[in-house]
Amino acid sequence: SAVISQKPSRDICQRGTSLTIQCQVDSQVTMMFWYRQQPGQSLTLIATANQGSEATYESGFVIDKFPISRPNLTFSTLTVSNMSPEDSSIYLCSVGGLYEQYFGPGTRLTVT
Amino acid sequence: GQQVMQIPQYQHVQEGEDFTTYCNSSTTLSNIQWYKQRPGGHPVFLIQLVKSGEVKKQKRLTFQFGEAKKNSSLHITATQTTDVGTYFCKGSTLGRLYFGRGTQLTVWP
Repeated sequence: SAVISQKPSRDICQRGTSLTIQCQVDSQVTMMFWYRQQPGQSLTLIATANQGSEATYESGFVIDKFPISRPNLTFSTLTVSNMSPEDSSIYLCSVGGLYEQYFGPGTRLTVT
Repeated sequence: GQQVMQIPQYQHVQEGEDFTTYCNSSTTLSNIQWYKQRPGGHPVFLIQLVKSGEVKKQKRLTFQFGEAKKNSSLHITATQTTDVGTYFCKGSTLGRLYFGRGTQLTVWP
């Protein structure tokens, strides 16, 4: 299993600003995933981040809006740029993938 | 695109009643997993099914994978208030991952 921590746990931000979310894993992993979850909704994959390469973004998500860093095998960041109220959501990082997946506790973002 | 359909979206039961959620895919899945997300929490892995027709049990929970590996179900016998939460299935095929939209279970005491 993997233990994942995220910072911050929640934040309230003004539109037009950016927020960087950090994800730390207690073991080395090849792939890390970033998801968005609207209240009461399912998980939407934003991008997959492999260490040493550019992140792979899903349809509807672009690097300019959601830049991702993956400097080593235990850490990743997701930035939500130029925020609007539509970006209000829970952002979760995850490891695993094709098989058992582990999720961080999430970052609850509110954009006003 | 291909996706995993999950029904029902909501289910309200009285404690002691049974509960079932279903996932269906238009294409054959390599495997299917089930997750539970408590209110305010994050998804937690429950189980993985890989084989055609596979059935697995965890206490009051029974998981099935269809013969064609296109559908799956999670059945809870005699629900308890601790079963409250949203149950997600996740299917994988050709290296892609697809989460169902989840079934939100409410249990009345």
